[in-house]
Amino acid sequence: GENVEQHPSTLSVQEGDSAVIKCTYSDSASNYFPWYKQELGKRPQLIIDIRSNVGEKKDQRIAVTLNKTAKHFSLHITETQPEDSAVYFCAALDDNYGQNFVFGPGTRLSVLP
Amino acid sequence: NAGVMQNPRHLVRRRGQEARLRCSPMKGHSHVYWYRQLPEEGLKFMVYLQKENIIDESGMPKERFSAEFPKEGPSILRIQQVVRGDSAAYFCASSPPTGGTFAFFGQGTRLTVV
Repeated sequence: GENVEQHPSTLSVQEGDSAVIKCTYSDSASNYFPWYKQELGKRPQLIIDIRSNVGEKKDQRIAVTLNKTAKHFSLHITETQPEDSAVYFCAALDDNYGQNFVFGPGTRLSVLP
Repeated sequence: NAGVMQNPRHLVRRRGQEARLRCSPMKGHSHVYWYRQLPEEGLKFMVYLQKENIIDESGMPKERFSAEFPKEGPSILRIQQVVRGDSAAYFCASSPPTGGTFAFFGQGTRLTVV
């Protein structure tokens, strides 16, 4: 089955700086890579996703890049704000076969004012 | 669209009792996933279901835990004879019939075993 690793486990940045979180996956058949943000005491929420036919996707201050050859994908947050502080989870799966979502262990991002 | 609804939000059970957690998927969604989350930890996959069918239960403990998603009504995660170690937040997520995309989470049920 799929195995997803995520680094770093914790990340502290100054407000306004950029943050990068990296994930690697094991199953070359995986073709869908979502990112979720979970604030303290709340549910995980989908913030951005990317499919294997695309190398990069942007949504305002958030971008995700995918390197299928190396089997890794990254979340980039620019101009970080205190409200970006949360735990971020990546996942990888082959949606052609209705697989379950296997999440990475999470990255706790702290944006310092 | 009311989103993924879980109830109860908080559940307290004494050791040895049964816990029933309910999840109503988003309208039009036919795939349900259950996850367990301990404090300060990640989302541990438990089970993936479609209507009347368990697709993957590789994350479910072999004993005391069961899940169902009947033709009518919510998906139910059942924990029999609860122990203190079952205390956690249990999240369900749902996705459309094609499966594996755009999974949306419910607000979770926080189970406390006393």
